Amino acid sequence: SYVLTQPPSESVAPGQTARITCGGNNIGSQSVHWYQQKPGQAPVLVVFDDSDRPSGIPERFSGSNSGNTATLTISRVEAGDEADYYCQVWDSSSDHGVFGTGTKVTVL
Amino acid sequence: EVQLVESGGGLVKPGGSPRLSCAASGFIFSSYNMNWVRQAPGKGLEWVSSISSSSSHIYYADSVKGRFTISRDNAKNSLYLQMNNLRAEDTAVYYCARDLFKSWYDVWGKGTTVTVSS
Repeated sequence: SYVLTQPPSESVAPGQTARITCGGNNIGSQSVHWYQQKPGQAPVLVVFDDSDRPSGIPERFSGSNSGNTATLTISRVEAGDEADYYCQVWDSSSDHGVFGTGTKVTVL
Repeated sequence: EVQLVESGGGLVKPGGSPRLSCAASGFIFSSYNMNWVRQAPGKGLEWVSSISSSSSHIYYADSVKGRFTISRDNAKNSLYLQMNNLRAEDTAVYYCARDLFKSWYDVWGKGTTVTVSS
């Protein structure tokens, strides 16, 4: 089955840039989506189709995808960005949804 | 307002067979693919099952295939998950989420908790 690997944690100071990676075999050929989940809450879509933002999501959230790595970038990090972040694809070879292992972002 | 509301969770004995429901409102339910995603305590998100808008395409995670059945009633704007032969490892918050078909999940419910314990 297709596996998406994320670093368990990322720490960043306010105002700095956080970069969260999502590794998968030839992930650049797939559409990658990203979710933010705060404690006790449902996930929220922050980036879809590699780099598009849903309405209401700040421009500080951006995405890229190439080769074996997709990246979610959070610019000018704020305290409210502290959350778990998950990447996700639909694996067409198995017709399964796949989530990454998740990254906990801590704002120092 | 676009909304998904799950129900049907609770404490279930191993081997039990609860049915989860997800009530949709604020959008044309019959136009969307629907999904169940779960999250075990302290763990990450796990995709469970997907059903297309007309129920013609249904998919399951290997961990639940043969035990869980996804279904929908477009006339009632409702999604269901029949869970059979539950195990301790099925303990999780179960979310319903919509997508356009094999894509991203743009609307999520708040989830319903299933606890499998004797």
